[in-house]
Amino acid sequence: KAGVTQTPRYLIKTRGQQVTLSCSPISGHRSVSWYQQTPGQGLQFLFEYFSETQRNKGNFPGRFSGRQFSNSRSEMNVSTLELGDSALYLCASSLAGMGDYGYTFGSGTRLTVV
Amino acid sequence: GDSVTQMEGPVTLSEEAFLTINCTYTATGYPSLFWYVQYPGEGLQLLLKATKADDKGSNKGFEATYRKETTSFHLEKGSVQVSDSAVYFCALSLSGNTPLVFGKGTRLSVIA
Repeated sequence: KAGVTQTPRYLIKTRGQQVTLSCSPISGHRSVSWYQQTPGQGLQFLFEYFSETQRNKGNFPGRFSGRQFSNSRSEMNVSTLELGDSALYLCASSLAGMGDYGYTFGSGTRLTVV
Repeated sequence: GDSVTQMEGPVTLSEEAFLTINCTYTATGYPSLFWYVQYPGEGLQLLLKATKADDKGSNKGFEATYRKETTSFHLEKGSVQVSDSAVYFCALSLSGNTPLVFGKGTRLSVIA
């Protein structure tokens, strides 16, 4: 079966712009989570969506937002980009959420802010 | 809060050497524990997991045992290969709808 698909793979944006990243989960998975990965901070949880509702949220500013559609596809948006937003953004899907199941991750979108 | 501590890397080993990557955790409840692996340019792949004390997760020659008494989940492999070169992440999740909490990751380089 198809894995988790993230688009685009690479993105270069200018400071102050906004960006939208997309994630298509594994078919049948209803939970989609987003993580930011940087060399300094490691993997940090952004938010999780389940059945179109945000169920959990990490400690990120309001410039980071997301949504989930009825087909479980998810998007995250970052407005007013800052240099520090440069990172690998990983999406992960799960059958029903975290707990015992673990995640299946996509290959990520590498965002560079210049 | 809940946290995961991994040994600092990078770890450099010769092919066929024994591997141990230490992982300890702090959690308010009884978490499930995971090891993920990230190959260059890719996302994370679930390597193995354990959901309760004394469980042993295993996959591709890697093993880790959930030790509640020492709050540890150390990753081991008896004989590493060059293809095992990657970054390894230890993670925990409390039951229910809580996010994964990751360690900082340990970079492993295996040389022929």
